[in-house]
Amino acid sequence: DAGITQSPRHKVTETGTPVTLRCHQTENHRYMYWYRQDPGHGLRLIHYSYGVKDTDKGEVSDGYSVSRSKTEDFLLTLESATSSQTSVYFCAISEPTGPIYFGEGSWLTVV
Amino acid sequence: DQQVKQNSPSLSVQEGRISILNCDYTNSMFDYFLWYKKYPAEGPTFLISISSIKDKNEDGRFTVFLNKSAKHLSLHIVPSQPGDSAVYFCAACRSNDYKLSFGAGTTVTVRA
Repeated sequence: DAGITQSPRHKVTETGTPVTLRCHQTENHRYMYWYRQDPGHGLRLIHYSYGVKDTDKGEVSDGYSVSRSKTEDFLLTLESATSSQTSVYFCAISEPTGPIYFGEGSWLTVV
Repeated sequence: DQQVKQNSPSLSVQEGRISILNCDYTNSMFDYFLWYKKYPAEGPTFLISISSIKDKNEDGRFTVFLNKSAKHLSLHIVPSQPGDSAVYFCAACRSNDYKLSFGAGTTVTVRA
């Protein structure tokens, strides 16, 4: 395991509520990422971070925000959850030389 | 618009034989390619990677081949074992940003 902990691992929430997923790493890797996995799409990048307070959007960032105040923590927030955000969310980490290692996933259901 | 495509959603192979998984990409700026293996309810596990300066990389039973002119890569697993039954994802990125683009995955089933 690459020393990545995601929490919560499973969550059911109602439409319109805010949700925060947490990624914690013990590897001191500089780069961190949030991906979502949906059938037929593989994994798609939501947001990424190249360092503390240095974040940027990925290909499916609408409806999501992130924060990284410490090297080890990368938070993903759904400001107002929608059913289309029901998915499996994976955090990943890497050094600038790669490769990229993934956490075990957070299963989110929006009802 | 998917920049990385795995056109075979599934592959069935007999134990001990070779598994060949294929992947095509469209973005000519990609120069770093990776394969991941994923079991249900777990995160993707890094298998093997290849830089565009090479055309082959081996690690034990896994070999990745890269054909830059055809924008095609393949993963060979020899010999296939029952524990290799999983979903395999091809991914690509530019080595200066590591923002991975993934294929949709190929489900490999190894038959005894």
